[in-house]
Amino acid sequence: DAGVTQSPTHLIKTRGQQVTLRCSPISGHKSVSWYQQVLGQGPQFIFQYYEKEERGRGNFPDRFSARQFPNYSSELNVNALLLGDSALYLCASSPQGYSNQPQHFGDGTRLSIL
Amino acid sequence: AQKITQTQPGMFVQEKEAVTLDCTYDTSDPSYGLFWYKQPSSGEMIFLIYQGSYDQQNATEGRYSLNFQKARKSANLVISASQLGDSAMYFCAMRESSGATNKLIFGTGTLLAVQP
Repeated sequence: DAGVTQSPTHLIKTRGQQVTLRCSPISGHKSVSWYQQVLGQGPQFIFQYYEKEERGRGNFPDRFSARQFPNYSSELNVNALLLGDSALYLCASSPQGYSNQPQHFGDGTRLSIL
Repeated sequence: AQKITQTQPGMFVQEKEAVTLDCTYDTSDPSYGLFWYKQPSSGEMIFLIYQGSYDQQNATEGRYSLNFQKARKSANLVISASQLGDSAMYFCAMRESSGATNKLIFGTGTLLAVQP
């Protein structure tokens, strides 16, 4: 079975631009979470979606938004990009919206802002 | 607020030896889950092992075991018979118990280098 897939793998943008990152969960998983990992730090929670509804939101500005589609794939959008948005963006999926089952992560999208 | 602390920024271990990576946590919730993930330089976060707060026995998964000391709020990862492929960043994480989410709170990680 395919794992969590993210696209693109790398992306270079300039300040002020907008970006869309995509994630396909493991088949049968209904929950998708997004994390931002700045170099040298642990991942920080951005959003969780379950059954197409937002379940949780981390401490990120409104420039960050996301959605989940009927097939449970998800998009993360970031508007008005800042230099500080340069990071590895990780998507994780799990079967349920609230459980101690392990979340499985994709390879991430490396976003560089010039 | 819940918090994960990993005090070892980096560790060295000789191939075939065992190594312990430290993790302490802070929570007031009696029900919680603790996870360890491995992150190679490629970036993917690989799930290694899980320990529930009510589990009576320490979790084990192959060469990985978790030394869970609930009273001390520690959940150290033990890797036995280290291999060169174990060189990576290791993160301890806890699922946040407030709110019906799967939100994970991560520590700052420990960079493990396995030497031949």
